[in-house]
Amino acid sequence: EVQLVQSGAEVRKPGESLKISCKGSGYNFTSYWIGWVRQMPGKGLEWMGIIYPSDSDTRYSPSFQGQVTISVDKSIRTAYLQWSSLKASDTAMYYCARRYGSGSPPDYWGQGTLVTVSS
Amino acid sequence: DIQMTQSPSSLSASVGDRVTITCRASQYISSYLNWYQQKPGKAPKLLIYAASSLQSGVPSRFSGSGSGTDFILTISSLQAEDFATYYCQQSYNTPGTFGQGTKVEIK
Repeated sequence: EVQLVQSGAEVRKPGESLKISCKGSGYNFTSYWIGWVRQMPGKGLEWMGIIYPSDSDTRYSPSFQGQVTISVDKSIRTAYLQWSSLKASDTAMYYCARRYGSGSPPDYWGQGTLVTVSS
Repeated sequence: DIQMTQSPSSLSASVGDRVTITCRASQYISSYLNWYQQKPGKAPKLLIYAASSLQSGVPSRFSGSGSGTDFILTISSLQAEDFATYYCQQSYNTPGTFGQGTKVEIK
């Protein structure tokens, strides 16, 4: 069974750093891209970026370039989304999702990680 | 960036109604268009990919059509479990962009 399991909810203060994770199982981890999607409270879905675990090729949406870092450790089948200095506006639900190749849809999604940034 | 525009933003319908949601891309995306359903507190669920292909396990009352820049999601007979928010997403380029969503509410 394909599964993407994300790390648990986090509460941080503005200016703090954070790294959340997404662990894949039940499929060939290095053959699928892993993307990250932001959903701010009561709002829609926004692609942040995507990484190919086989070679760590990473693409960012323009709005998120320089704001976050996406990485992967293929030895433990885990992708990461990282902030160096959180802002209150980073408060959101974050989902990871896998995608096979260019043009393919994200077909399996993680359960989401709620990040709350508040002083 | 390719912009995706859905209409309407919300609609009210009754069980058994036929519902259509449209999605327009700001540029040509061939058939690289996907539809998702999201219920409160849950991750999005893939319904339709490549504009008209039904994802495995999705009821046949869901269908998709269109190509180029204009696309439609149709629910042929709305069921109680279909009340949710629906998003289109283009996978023509990486990363793909989503529409703003259409909330389907009970009339």
